[in-house]
Amino acid sequence: AQSVTQLGSHVSVSEGALVLLRCNYSSSVPPYLFWYVQYPNQGLQLLLKYTSAATLVKGINGFEAEFKKSETSFHLTKPSAHMSDAAEYFCAVSGATSYDKVIFGPGTSLSVIP
Amino acid sequence: DSGVTQTPKHLITATGQRVTLRCSPRSGDLSVYWYQQSLDQGLQFLIHYYNGEERAKGNILERFSAQQFPDLHSELNLSSLELGDSALYFCASSPLYQETQYFGPGTRLLVL
Repeated sequence: AQSVTQLGSHVSVSEGALVLLRCNYSSSVPPYLFWYVQYPNQGLQLLLKYTSAATLVKGINGFEAEFKKSETSFHLTKPSAHMSDAAEYFCAVSGATSYDKVIFGPGTSLSVIP
Repeated sequence: DSGVTQTPKHLITATGQRVTLRCSPRSGDLSVYWYQQSLDQGLQFLIHYYNGEERAKGNILERFSAQQFPDLHSELNLSSLELGDSALYFCASSPLYQETQYFGPGTRLLVL
């Protein structure tokens, strides 16, 4: 069965500092991996996705993530945090077929300190 | 604006009642997904429909049911409501499946 863990339910960084949000997954099949962001009182928005192409995936708003099969990880990074990055971030995993469920991690709340 | 619409935005009802949540996917998207988000359970996948057919089920209670109509809009029916069903219900759509999902703004359900 697929599962997702996100280390740290809450992360605080200073404005301009590196953002690192951790995601580990378990999957019996080659996974599709996603990072979504949720701003207060809004729906989720895709940041980036991995679908077995390049292992380093670039997304919107300066975020990127690296797929490491040996570590079963898909950590999200951004070189310099901005106040507008404060939000809830969700990692998700799915298989490649329409019969596969999409499993979301518990989420990490990111705070950016001025 | 993701292009996915959900109605109503807010719903207040009583225990034991039945409600219907509606989702209109982006134009041309064949897949519709339903999720429940609550403080204690987090974001839970409920069900996925692709071109009118149920494709995957997650943690969906037997009191809940869904369907996707020929025009591709979807409805989530919640019956015999309990206090614990209070949550934010999201619908998402994608062109095919296992691609980028575009989320609607959600329906906030409060069961009193």
